Formats: sequence, structure tokens, C-alpha cells
Amino acid sequence: SYELTQPLSVSVAQGQTARITCEGNNIGNKNVHWYQQKTGQAPLLVIYRDSDRPSGIPERFSGSNSGNTATLTINRAQAGDEADYHCLVWDSRLHWVFGGGTKLTVL
Amino acid sequence: EVQLLESGGGLIQPGGSLRLSCAASGFTFNNYAMTWVRQAPGKGLEWVSIIGGRGTTTYYTDSVRGRFTISRDNSENTLYLQMNSLRADDTAVYYCAKAVRTPTVTDNWFDPWGQGTLVTVSS
Repeated sequence: SYELTQPLSVSVAQGQTARITCEGNNIGNKNVHWYQQKTGQAPLLVIYRDSDRPSGIPERFSGSNSGNTATLTINRAQAGDEADYHCLVWDSRLHWVFGGGTKLTVL
Repeated sequence: EVQLLESGGGLIQPGGSLRLSCAASGFTFNNYAMTWVRQAPGKGLEWVSIIGGRGTTTYYTDSVRGRFTISRDNSENTLYLQMNSLRADDTAVYYCAKAVRTPTVTDNWFDPWGQGTLVTVSS
């Protein structure tokens, strides 16, 4: 089965850069999508197809994907970025697989 | 503006049945696949099922196959999830979401999502 591994938590000082990873076997060969989920809210798409940004998402959010690791990068982190972040890929056998989610804390 | 509104959640005993609904508006409903994703309390997201725009293609995660049935009524712009033989580990918030790419079902992603409906399976 295909699995995605994310760190349980990431902390970043306000104004600094946060990096959240999503690890999977040859994930670089797949399209990775990232969702932000604030407490009590539905997930919000922030990055699709590794590095594309939906309209309305700040340029501070970016993504990359290579080898066995995809990364969501949040530049100039703000208090409003505190949330859980989930990666998603499509697998030809399991269909859709989510990572376990990462809680981002902005200090 | 795309809007998705789930309903039908509640408290149900183990072994019981429940049908969730997702009312969609703001887009041409039958052009897009629709999916259900759930989130157990304090846990991550888990994809549950997807249905193609015409309703003829469906996929399920292994843990619900044979117990859950996804369907849609394109005349009413509504997505459904019939859940039978419910178990305690089905307890979760269930979200419906719209697939982004059309008309494909596979290799897709989801945006936007509804606000979710809570299903609690407990005696």
C-alpha cells in the first residue's frame, strides 16, 4: 500500500519560513496537493499539482516535489497560518491517499 | 460561487444505516466528479469514495467497500452517501468535495469542500 508520512508538528517564528514535508516512495512521480485546515473548518486547497497556487492563496505559499519528498513552504509565516496541513496524492491502486497531517505553530 | 452543503449526520447505533446528502450549487454539477472524505475526531483526512459526473464510475476505499454506496441525482444537484452496517470506527466528520479536473475521475484533486456533517456511531 502507498503511504505518505508527514511530521506531526512544525514550529516557526513569526516572519520566518516554515517547511512541511510529505514523504512517500517516489512521490516525485506523482502530483501532490496541499490543504490547509484551521480549527473547526473545512480543508482549503493551498497548492495543487506540486507547486501551483489557486487564486486567492498568497504568494507566500509554494510547493516543490522531487524524489521521495514533497515540501510545502510558507514564507514570512503569520499567526493566521496556524493550521493543520495535509498532503494528498492519487495512487493508481489505492486511489486517493492523504498524509497524516502536520500541525503548524507560529511562535 | 460554488457551494456545498452536507446534511444527514447524527448519532446512530452500531449496525445501523444513515444516508448523507450534499447539495451543490454554483457550477454545472453533472460535469464534475464528486467525492466524500472523512475525518475521525482528532485524526487526519481519509478519502472514502468518489463518483463520476454521470454516476457510472465509482470507487471506494477498502474499509467501506460493500457497506457504503455513493450516488448522485444530477437533476437535483445532490450527492449522496448511503452508509450501512455502521461501525464505531466510521465515526467522523464527513465532507463532500468537488473534483477540480473535468471530466476525468482519476488523478484528480478536490476543491472546494463543504463544511462537513458529523456521524457518530455509538450505542
